[in-house]
Amino acid sequence: GQNIDQPTEMTATEGAIVQINCTYQTSGFNGLFWYQQHAGEAPTFLSYNVLDGLEEKGRFSSFLSRSKGYSYLLLKELQMKDSASYLCAVRLRDYKLSFGAGTTVTVRA
Amino acid sequence: DAGITQSPRHKVTETGTPVTLRCHQTENHRYMYWYRQDPGHGLRLIHYSYGVKDTDKGEVSDGYSVSRSKTEDFLLTLESATSSQTSVYFCAISPLAGTNTGELFFGEGSRLTVL
Repeated sequence: GQNIDQPTEMTATEGAIVQINCTYQTSGFNGLFWYQQHAGEAPTFLSYNVLDGLEEKGRFSSFLSRSKGYSYLLLKELQMKDSASYLCAVRLRDYKLSFGAGTTVTVRA
Repeated sequence: DAGITQSPRHKVTETGTPVTLRCHQTENHRYMYWYRQDPGHGLRLIHYSYGVKDTDKGEVSDGYSVSRSKTEDFLLTLESATSSQTSVYFCAISPLAGTNTGELFFGEGSRLTVL
């Protein structure tokens, strides 16, 4: 089976930076995704890493180390609207996407 | 936004009754997926399809069957619903991975309650 771990909850202050870590042990690796999910809504795509290194997209960045089975999502200049669950997902070689349980981020004023 | 719709959006049924959830896409994407989402478990793959009449099991496929007779429709059937199948069900679609990232686009979800 697949094992994808991420913290359950994190709290941060508006304007701050938060880093959400994700570690994985999977049979076959074909890319790592981060999704954002607001309460009661569908997940939406945030970022994708398939090679080692940092991918930056506005206030959000995602990092991948394949040798360590590790990724993080960095959220900068936090806004209240960033309060949501953040899902780490690993794509396997047969194009199945396996998700972690998600990290709920609460942004406080 | 990807053209993907799920029906019904909400359903309450009784234990032992059959239930079918429908996922319809207008994007002509090859890959379609059914996930369930429960507190503490995140999204878990039930079944997925990589083409018309081509399907495969996910990690929680027991008690579920699927069919894909057309590119645009992917049906999830609970032959005899149980209370443990109370959940939010998400359909997702993905283009063939190649020059793009092949990310999943999700439908709005179907909330199923089995009494």
